[in-house]
Amino acid sequence: NAGVTQTPKFRILKIGQSMTLQCTQDMNHNYMYWYRQDPGMGLKLIYYSVGAGITDKGEVPNGYNVSRSTTEDFPLRLELAAPSQTSVYFCASSTTGNSGANVLTFGAGSRLTVL
Amino acid sequence: GNSVTQMEGPVTLSEEAFLTINCTYTATGYPSLFWYVQYPGEGLQLLLKATKADDKGSNKGFEATYRKETTSFHLEKGSVQVSDSAVYFCALSIQNQGGKLIFGQGTELSVKP
Repeated sequence: NAGVTQTPKFRILKIGQSMTLQCTQDMNHNYMYWYRQDPGMGLKLIYYSVGAGITDKGEVPNGYNVSRSTTEDFPLRLELAAPSQTSVYFCASSTTGNSGANVLTFGAGSRLTVL
Repeated sequence: GNSVTQMEGPVTLSEEAFLTINCTYTATGYPSLFWYVQYPGEGLQLLLKATKADDKGSNKGFEATYRKETTSFHLEKGSVQVSDSAVYFCALSIQNQGGKLIFGQGTELSVKP
């Protein structure tokens, strides 16, 4: 099993450019999440999805968009990149989201730099 | 609101030393508590968890006890190894809130031989 796969691993963007971070999981998990990790700040939730066709905002959604057309894929879109979006982005998935005791499986991360 | 506070790092220890990383939480509901570990260049992975008061989670020599009276979930290990060098995150999750994890800021541990 590949688990959660994120692409690209590294990307440099210019201010105002757009891009999509890809996330795919092969575990048939219903719940998927996007977090960003900034130094000394822990992980902040950007968006999450409880199933195909359903998405919801997390703590820091501004400047991002998501879609969930299939169970496997949960892409994160940056429309107008800004330096404040320089971060490491993690996608995660889980199978029993609403129990509260669910365990998230994380991808390896995508490091984005906006210059 | 819900939040997690961890002791600040970095923490530097010698091999075989005792480790404690403090974690306290604030929660409006009844949380499950987790410790995740992030090795250099990797994503996070679950280290241990506890789902109710007085539960003890343990894994790889690490352990943490869910203390409702002090709203704490401190991580301990009796004898650390160089391979334990990583960033450790305390987190909570509330039932029926979409399985979202709320993380502390992370504590970097460096173990020297």
